[in-house]
Amino acid sequence: AQSVSQHNHHVILSEAASLELGCNYSYGGTVNLFWYVQYPGQHLQLLLKYFSGDPLVKGIKGFEAEFIKSKFSFNLRKPSVQWSDTAEYFCAVNYMNSGGYQKVTFGTGTKLQVIP
Amino acid sequence: DAMVIQNPRYQVTQFGKPVTLSCSQTLNHNVMYWYQQKSSQAPKLLFHYYDKDFNNEADTPDNFQSRRPNTSFCFLDIRSPGLGDAAMYLCATSRRDRRANIQYFGAGTRLSVL
Repeated sequence: AQSVSQHNHHVILSEAASLELGCNYSYGGTVNLFWYVQYPGQHLQLLLKYFSGDPLVKGIKGFEAEFIKSKFSFNLRKPSVQWSDTAEYFCAVNYMNSGGYQKVTFGTGTKLQVIP
Repeated sequence: DAMVIQNPRYQVTQFGKPVTLSCSQTLNHNVMYWYQQKSSQAPKLLFHYYDKDFNNEADTPDNFQSRRPNTSFCFLDIRSPGLGDAAMYLCATSRRDRRANIQYFGAGTRLSVL
């Protein structure tokens, strides 16, 4: 089975600090990559995605992520976090399984707490 | 404006008492998913429908069943809930797209088993 690893389970930052959340995946074939965010009391929503092309992708609210194929990584970054970024962040990988279906595997999530 | 709606938001059931969770969507997506998410764990796919084509994950217990009577609705039935089935249940939808699965999630139903 494919796996997605998020190394940081809980991150605490002060406002204006820079953020980098790690994500590594195990699938060696063609993948599409996502970061989802879940704000307190809300549903999971798409933050950004990578399909192809420029490996540096930009998402909403100033987030960006870089796909490094050689490292099987898709780390999420933000130069300066705000209190409103407090949320749980999930990395997800989409791939074609042996049955010909698109599958998505999620990481275990990283809880980000931003202190004002 | 809600696109994927799950009802109820919170469900309490008794050990062994059947329970049904519902999901509806206004996106007209042909793929619908059910995930189980326990605290501090990744959402775990239970099964999904491509249109009416049901796809069960190999490790989904038989205790979990699903129905999709039409494009808009999908139900998760837990025939005999155990204490270990207490979790957040997430419904998601997507288009059948060769490129990738962008999934749209509902707010989830938190199931408690007494």
